[in-house]
Amino acid sequence: KAGVTQTPRYLIKTRGQQVTLSCSPISGHRSVSWYQQTPGQGLQFLFEYFSETQRNKGNFPGRFSGRQFSNSRSEMNVSTLELGDSALYLCASSLMDAWGTQYFGPGTRLLVL
Amino acid sequence: EDQVTQSPEALRLQEGESSSLNCSYTVSGLRGLFWYRQDPGKGPEFLFTLYSAGEEKEKERLKATLTKKESFLHITAPKPEDSATYLCAVQSGSGNTGKLIFGQGTTLQVKP
Repeated sequence: KAGVTQTPRYLIKTRGQQVTLSCSPISGHRSVSWYQQTPGQGLQFLFEYFSETQRNKGNFPGRFSGRQFSNSRSEMNVSTLELGDSALYLCASSLMDAWGTQYFGPGTRLLVL
Repeated sequence: EDQVTQSPEALRLQEGESSSLNCSYTVSGLRGLFWYRQDPGKGPEFLFTLYSAGEEKEKERLKATLTKKESFLHITAPKPEDSATYLCAVQSGSGNTGKLIFGQGTTLQVKP
Protein backbone atom coordinates (compact mmCIF):
# COMPACT_ATOMS: atom_id res chain seq x y z
CA LYS A 1 0.00 0.00 0.00
CA ALA A 2 1.38 3.39 -0.94
CA GLY A 3 2.36 5.69 1.89
CA VAL A 4 1.50 9.32 2.48
CA THR A 5 2.62 11.51 -0.39
CA GLN A 6 3.32 15.22 -0.29
CA THR A 7 3.89 17.68 -3.09
CA PRO A 8 5.95 19.58 -3.84
CA ARG A 9 8.96 18.26 -1.97
CA TYR A 10 10.85 21.55 -2.07
CA LEU A 11 9.76 25.17 -2.41
CA ILE A 12 11.51 28.50 -2.42
CA LYS A 13 9.37 31.59 -1.90
CA THR A 14 9.93 35.21 -0.99
CA ARG A 15 8.44 37.15 1.91
CA GLY A 16 4.87 38.24 1.34
CA GLN A 17 4.03 35.48 -1.11
CA GLN A 18 1.60 32.67 -0.41
CA VAL A 19 2.08 28.94 -0.80
CA THR A 20 -0.13 25.85 -1.07
CA LEU A 21 1.08 22.41 -0.04
CA SER A 22 -0.66 19.17 -0.90
CA CYS A 23 -1.01 15.86 0.92
CA SER A 24 -2.48 12.55 -0.21
CA PRO A 25 -3.13 10.18 2.71
CA ILE A 26 -2.75 6.43 2.74
CA SER A 27 -5.64 4.83 0.90
CA GLY A 28 -8.57 4.38 3.27
CA HIS A 29 -7.28 6.86 5.84
CA ARG A 30 -9.73 9.64 6.59
CA SER A 31 -7.89 11.78 9.15
CA VAL A 32 -5.11 14.12 8.06
CA SER A 33 -2.95 16.18 10.42
CA TRP A 34 -0.36 18.80 9.55
CA TYR A 35 2.80 19.65 11.47
CA GLN A 36 5.58 22.22 11.19
CA GLN A 37 9.11 21.10 12.03
CA THR A 38 11.91 23.57 12.75
CA PRO A 39 15.28 23.08 14.47
CA GLY A 40 14.30 25.39 17.31
CA GLN A 41 10.70 24.36 18.00
CA GLY A 42 10.69 20.77 16.85
CA LEU A 43 7.45 19.28 15.59
CA GLN A 44 4.39 21.42 16.24
CA PHE A 45 0.79 20.60 15.44
CA LEU A 46 -0.97 22.86 12.93
CA PHE A 47 -4.42 21.33 12.40
CA GLU A 48 -6.33 18.13 11.81
CA TYR A 49 -9.08 17.31 9.31
CA PHE A 50 -11.58 14.50 9.22
CA SER A 51 -14.36 14.10 6.66
CA GLU A 52 -13.66 17.55 5.22
CA THR A 53 -14.03 19.21 8.64
CA GLN A 54 -11.32 20.82 10.73
CA ARG A 55 -11.59 19.12 14.12
CA ASN A 56 -8.60 20.61 15.87
CA LYS A 57 -6.22 23.53 15.44
CA GLY A 58 -2.84 24.36 16.95
CA ASN A 59 -1.49 27.72 18.08
CA PHE A 60 -0.57 29.21 14.74
CA PRO A 61 -1.70 32.53 13.26
CA GLY A 62 -4.61 32.75 10.85
CA ARG A 63 -2.18 32.96 7.94
CA PHE A 64 -2.04 29.18 8.19
CA SER A 65 -5.13 27.47 6.84
CA GLY A 66 -6.12 24.16 5.37
CA ARG A 67 -8.85 22.12 3.87
CA GLN A 68 -9.73 18.54 3.09
CA PHE A 69 -11.48 17.20 0.04
CA SER A 70 -14.03 14.42 -0.25
CA ASN A 71 -11.32 11.94 -1.28
CA SER A 72 -9.45 12.78 1.99
CA ARG A 73 -6.68 14.61 0.18
CA SER A 74 -5.68 17.75 2.03
CA GLU A 75 -4.05 21.07 1.30
CA MET A 76 -2.56 23.67 3.57
CA ASN A 77 -2.03 27.28 2.65
CA VAL A 78 0.25 29.89 4.16
CA SER A 79 -0.40 33.47 3.16
CA THR A 80 1.88 36.49 3.52
CA LEU A 81 4.97 34.37 4.10
CA GLU A 82 7.50 35.40 6.72
CA LEU A 83 11.12 34.33 7.07
CA GLY A 84 10.17 32.33 10.16
CA ASP A 85 7.85 30.15 8.11
CA SER A 86 10.86 28.36 6.66
CA ALA A 87 10.42 24.79 7.87
CA LEU A 88 9.68 21.21 6.98
CA TYR A 89 5.91 20.80 6.70
CA LEU A 90 4.74 17.31 7.45
CA CYS A 91 1.43 15.66 6.76
CA ALA A 92 0.27 12.56 8.62
CA SER A 93 -2.74 10.33 8.09
CA SER A 94 -4.54 7.89 10.34
CA LEU A 95 -7.16 5.31 9.61
CA MET A 96 -10.33 6.67 11.07
CA ASP A 97 -10.76 7.81 14.60
CA ALA A 98 -9.19 10.63 16.56
CA TRP A 99 -6.65 8.48 18.37
CA GLY A 100 -5.15 6.22 15.77
CA THR A 101 -1.49 5.90 14.89
CA GLN A 102 -0.38 8.61 12.50
CA TYR A 103 1.80 7.81 9.51
CA PHE A 104 3.88 10.62 8.12
CA GLY A 105 4.75 11.67 4.62
CA PRO A 106 8.23 12.78 3.49
CA GLY A 107 7.42 16.45 4.03
CA THR A 108 7.67 19.63 2.01
CA ARG A 109 10.76 21.74 2.66
CA LEU A 110 9.82 25.42 2.43
CA LEU A 111 12.47 28.12 2.30
CA VAL A 112 11.32 31.74 2.56
CA LEU A 113 13.82 34.35 1.36
CA GLU B 1 -0.25 21.65 30.03
CA ASP B 2 0.74 18.47 28.19
CA GLN B 3 4.49 18.10 27.89
CA VAL B 4 7.07 15.61 26.61
CA THR B 5 10.77 15.64 27.53
CA GLN B 6 13.32 13.35 25.94
CA SER B 7 16.80 12.54 27.22
CA PRO B 8 19.57 12.52 26.37
CA GLU B 9 19.52 15.02 23.51
CA ALA B 10 22.33 13.15 21.80
CA LEU B 11 23.83 9.72 22.30
CA ARG B 12 26.93 8.18 20.78
CA LEU B 13 27.33 4.42 20.95
CA GLN B 14 29.78 1.90 19.63
CA GLU B 15 28.28 -0.82 17.49
CA GLY B 16 26.97 -3.52 19.81
CA GLU B 17 26.79 -1.23 22.86
CA SER B 18 23.22 -1.41 24.20
CA SER B 19 21.50 1.62 25.76
CA SER B 20 18.14 3.24 26.50
CA LEU B 21 16.44 6.45 25.48
CA ASN B 22 14.04 8.13 27.89
CA CYS B 23 10.75 9.93 27.27
CA SER B 24 9.08 11.60 30.26
CA TYR B 25 5.58 12.95 29.87
CA THR B 26 2.89 14.86 31.71
CA VAL B 27 -0.49 14.60 30.06
CA SER B 28 -4.11 14.73 31.08
CA GLY B 29 -5.58 11.40 30.09
CA LEU B 30 -3.03 9.55 27.97
CA ARG B 31 -4.57 8.13 24.82
CA GLY B 32 -1.36 6.80 23.37
CA LEU B 33 2.42 7.17 23.36
CA PHE B 34 4.21 6.88 20.05
CA TRP B 35 7.81 6.32 19.04
CA TYR B 36 9.10 7.42 15.64
CA ARG B 37 12.45 7.31 13.91
CA GLN B 38 13.47 10.20 11.67
CA ASP B 39 16.37 10.24 9.25
CA PRO B 40 17.76 13.60 8.06
CA GLY B 41 15.52 15.29 5.50
CA LYS B 42 12.78 12.65 5.80
CA GLY B 43 9.45 12.33 7.55
CA PRO B 44 9.14 10.43 10.85
CA GLU B 45 8.83 6.67 10.44
CA PHE B 46 6.42 4.94 12.83
CA LEU B 47 7.93 2.45 15.26
CA PHE B 48 5.58 1.72 18.18
CA THR B 49 2.31 2.70 19.85
CA LEU B 50 1.86 2.07 23.58
CA TYR B 51 -1.47 2.59 25.31
CA SER B 52 -1.18 1.61 28.95
CA ALA B 53 1.38 1.31 31.72
CA GLY B 54 3.18 -2.02 31.69
CA GLU B 55 2.84 -2.45 27.95
CA GLU B 56 5.92 -3.49 25.95
CA LYS B 57 6.51 -3.75 22.21
CA GLU B 58 9.50 -5.14 20.31
CA LYS B 59 10.81 -4.86 16.78
CA GLU B 60 14.20 -6.20 15.81
CA ARG B 61 16.77 -4.51 18.08
CA LEU B 62 14.25 -2.08 19.57
CA LYS B 63 11.99 -2.52 22.59
CA ALA B 64 9.62 0.12 23.92
CA THR B 65 8.18 0.13 27.43
CA LEU B 66 5.67 2.37 29.18
CA THR B 67 5.06 3.42 32.78
CA LYS B 68 2.65 6.02 34.15
CA LYS B 69 5.24 8.78 33.82
CA GLU B 70 7.75 7.72 31.19
CA SER B 71 8.63 5.48 28.32
CA PHE B 72 11.93 3.87 27.40
CA LEU B 73 13.25 2.84 24.03
CA HIS B 74 15.83 0.13 24.58
CA ILE B 75 18.30 -0.50 21.77
CA THR B 76 20.07 -3.85 21.96
CA ALA B 77 23.36 -4.36 20.12
CA PRO B 78 22.83 -1.37 17.83
CA LYS B 79 24.23 -1.19 14.31
CA PRO B 80 25.35 1.90 12.36
CA GLU B 81 22.06 1.82 10.41
CA ASP B 82 20.21 2.52 13.67
CA SER B 83 21.71 6.03 13.62
CA ALA B 84 18.80 8.49 13.46
CA THR B 85 16.76 10.86 15.59
CA TYR B 86 14.21 9.07 17.75
CA LEU B 87 11.05 11.00 18.54
CA CYS B 88 8.54 10.37 21.28
CA ALA B 89 5.00 11.78 21.08
CA VAL B 90 1.86 11.61 23.19
CA GLN B 91 -1.79 12.09 22.47
CA SER B 92 -4.10 13.18 25.26
CA GLY B 93 -7.79 12.68 25.64
CA SER B 94 -8.74 16.24 26.41
CA GLY B 95 -10.36 16.99 23.08
CA ASN B 96 -7.07 16.86 21.23
CA THR B 97 -8.20 14.94 18.20
CA GLY B 98 -5.39 14.24 15.79
CA LYS B 99 -2.84 16.20 17.80
CA LEU B 100 0.47 14.66 18.77
CA ILE B 101 2.75 16.46 21.21
CA PHE B 102 6.36 15.69 20.42
CA GLY B 103 9.52 15.75 22.47
CA GLN B 104 12.64 17.34 21.03
CA GLY B 105 14.09 13.97 20.11
CA THR B 106 17.25 12.00 20.84
CA THR B 107 19.86 11.93 18.09
CA LEU B 108 21.59 8.58 18.12
CA GLN B 109 24.92 7.94 16.41
CA VAL B 110 26.22 4.39 16.26
CA LYS B 111 29.86 4.05 15.26
CA PRO B 112 31.22 0.87 13.68
